[in-house]
Amino acid sequence: DARVTQTPRHKVTEMGQEVTMRCQPILGHNTVFWYRQTMMQGLELLAYFRNRAPLDDSGMPKDRFSAEMPDATLATLKIQPSEPRDSAVYFCASGFDADTQYFGPGTRLTVL
Amino acid sequence: GESVGLHLPTLSVQEGDNSIINCAYSNSASDYFIWYKQESGKGPQFIIDIRSNMDKRQGQRVTVLLNKTVKHLSLQIAATQPGDSAVYFCAENTTPQGAQKLVFGQGTRLTINP
Repeated sequence: DARVTQTPRHKVTEMGQEVTMRCQPILGHNTVFWYRQTMMQGLELLAYFRNRAPLDDSGMPKDRFSAEMPDATLATLKIQPSEPRDSAVYFCASGFDADTQYFGPGTRLTVL
Repeated sequence: GESVGLHLPTLSVQEGDNSIINCAYSNSASDYFIWYKQESGKGPQFIIDIRSNMDKRQGQRVTVLLNKTVKHLSLQIAATQPGDSAVYFCAENTTPQGAQKLVFGQGTRLTINP
């Protein structure tokens, strides 16, 4: 049963620290998406990649967030420095071209 | 700006009854719509989708209706079960002919009463 995996599942850190979240997309999928979910804003698209190239990162705060795909099996989302307002659940999703997106279980981030 | 919204934030139904969850969208260029189910502590799970050239699509116990005239989307769940309790999101693809850039609604919490 192919699934998107994300690590860590939970992360508690202090303001100012660097946070790295990782995602392994479903094998064969060529699009990867990063979302953030909060009670106030709901699900927001931060960035997405196709064939490892960034297509759109307009939803991401550029000064502190960065997203990369070092290879086809790994996507990373980094926050440096982290702030309390970054506390949220971060989801990765993958798909093939314009087909259905499949979501991972999420990383719950708490910044104190 | 363009947005996807839901008419009701919560919905309670009796087990075995049918439920209808509604969604309004505002981007007339959107060509693809999806319903996701999210259970507590989990990621959104794909339920059913529909393209703009259709007005109805059926799955197992679920039906999605699309009314492009009034920009309205609904999800019907037949014979609801306790496992249907979750938050349901509609989403629209705002990049026709491209990789899906989805805009999600705020969600409706469905509670199934025994």
